[in-house]
Amino acid sequence: RKEVEQDPGPFNVPEGATVAFNCTYSNSASQSFFWYRQDCRKEPKLLMSVYSSGNEDGRFTAQLNRASQYISLLIRDSKLSDSATYLCVVNIRNQGGKLIFGQGTELSVKP
Amino acid sequence: DAGITQSPRHKVTETGTPVTLRCHQTENHRYMYWYRQDPGHGLRLIHYSYGVKDTDKGEVSDGYSVSRSKTEDFLLTLESATSSQTSVYFCASGASSYEQYFGPGTRLTVT
Repeated sequence: RKEVEQDPGPFNVPEGATVAFNCTYSNSASQSFFWYRQDCRKEPKLLMSVYSSGNEDGRFTAQLNRASQYISLLIRDSKLSDSATYLCVVNIRNQGGKLIFGQGTELSVKP
Repeated sequence: DAGITQSPRHKVTETGTPVTLRCHQTENHRYMYWYRQDPGHGLRLIHYSYGVKDTDKGEVSDGYSVSRSKTEDFLLTLESATSSQTSVYFCASGASSYEQYFGPGTRLTVT
C-alpha cells in the first residue's frame, strides 16, 4: 500500500464548477500536510499547507481529518488556469525534512 | 520564486557511463533534495542533505551518490547509468525541513 494515495483522475470539469480532491495517508506519525500543484512538464509548486482546523486561500479550501487520516482540497469556481496535477504531500514525524508525495490527481478545466 | 537552477536541463547518455547532475540555489537554504519522477510512481526521494557534507539516503538511492561541499550546490551522480534511470530529476531546497522549492527539472535519457 502506498503511503499517500489520491484519486487517480483525470477530472474533467467545466469552468465555474466546484471540484474536490481526496487523499489518504497510512502513517499515523504524519504531522504536516500540503497540497502542491504541478503544471505539465514543470516543477511542483507549493499550493497550500493544510491545518487541522481547515484553511482557505481564495477559491481553495483544504481540510484535514486526522482520525480518518484523510486530506481534501476543494476548488470553487474553477478557472481554465487551474488545469494541472495536484499532489498531496505529507511529512512524517521524526523523519526530518522528508516529504512523501502522492501520485497526483490531474485536473482539466474546459471552457 | 526561490533561485534554484539545475544543469543540464536535458541529457542523453549511454548505458554504463557516469553522469552528474548539478543543483544550484542562491537562497542559502540549509536543506536540499534530489527526487526522480516517473509515471505511476510520482515523486520519489533519492538523497537529501541537511547541511554541508551532511547527506542521507532516500527511498530509491541505489545506483546514485551525492555530494554537497558548499551550501549552494548539491550534486547527484549516477555511477554507471542504466536504462531504468531514465527519468525526470528534480532538485529542491528549503530553509526549514517543511518547505521545499523545486528546480525546473532535468530530463535524462539512458540509451
